[in-house]
Amino acid sequence: NAGVTQTPKFQVLKTGQSMTLQCAQDMNHNSMYWYRQDPGMGLRLIYYSASEGTTDKGEVPNGYNVSRLNKREFSLRLESAAPSQTSVYFCASSKDPAKQPQHFGDGTRLSIL
Amino acid sequence: GENVEQHPSTLSVQEGDSAVIKCTYSDSASNYFPWYKQELGKRPQLIIDIRSNVGEKKDQRIAVTLNKTAKHFSLHITETQPEDSAVYFCAASNTGNQFYFGTGTSLTVIP
Repeated sequence: NAGVTQTPKFQVLKTGQSMTLQCAQDMNHNSMYWYRQDPGMGLRLIYYSASEGTTDKGEVPNGYNVSRLNKREFSLRLESAAPSQTSVYFCASSKDPAKQPQHFGDGTRLSIL
Repeated sequence: GENVEQHPSTLSVQEGDSAVIKCTYSDSASNYFPWYKQELGKRPQLIIDIRSNVGEKKDQRIAVTLNKTAKHFSLHITETQPEDSAVYFCAASNTGNQFYFGTGTSLTVIP
């Protein structure tokens, strides 16, 4: 039982490049989330998916797109990376967010030069 | 939307003393309040949670209290140990599928 798995763990991009961050959970959770974490700003929600086939914007969605590929997988795409997107990205999942906590992946450390 | 404020941003205590971290929230519909601990370079991990129908919950040295009327909840750590040093986040959630996080408290326990 791996929980929430994120790939890659580290990535360096040049401005303007694109990339996709992958996330998979094996806990049969309905809801999945993407956050970014910057120093002193806590966790900010980028996008979330309440169930397979649905996605919604969070607090900071600009510059990102997501895909809920199936119940297990939720990917985050940066189409044209900018230095302001340098951050640590966490994927999380929850069975029932009104009653149960989120489980987080180990994070992806992304640097954009 | 919901707004969660967390205080203090940093906290230093002597080993064995107690630590208290406070959070306030704005949306009276919020009904679930988890607390996470994040060690340097690691993922946030749940340490305790409380639902709106409960006023207090304890788990060994950790307790959480909730005041729905005042819209605030607090984390209490007693008999602190050096391994309690970490960043702690509070969060609030309602039926809207979103969690709203505080900005974190960096706790240092001085041996």
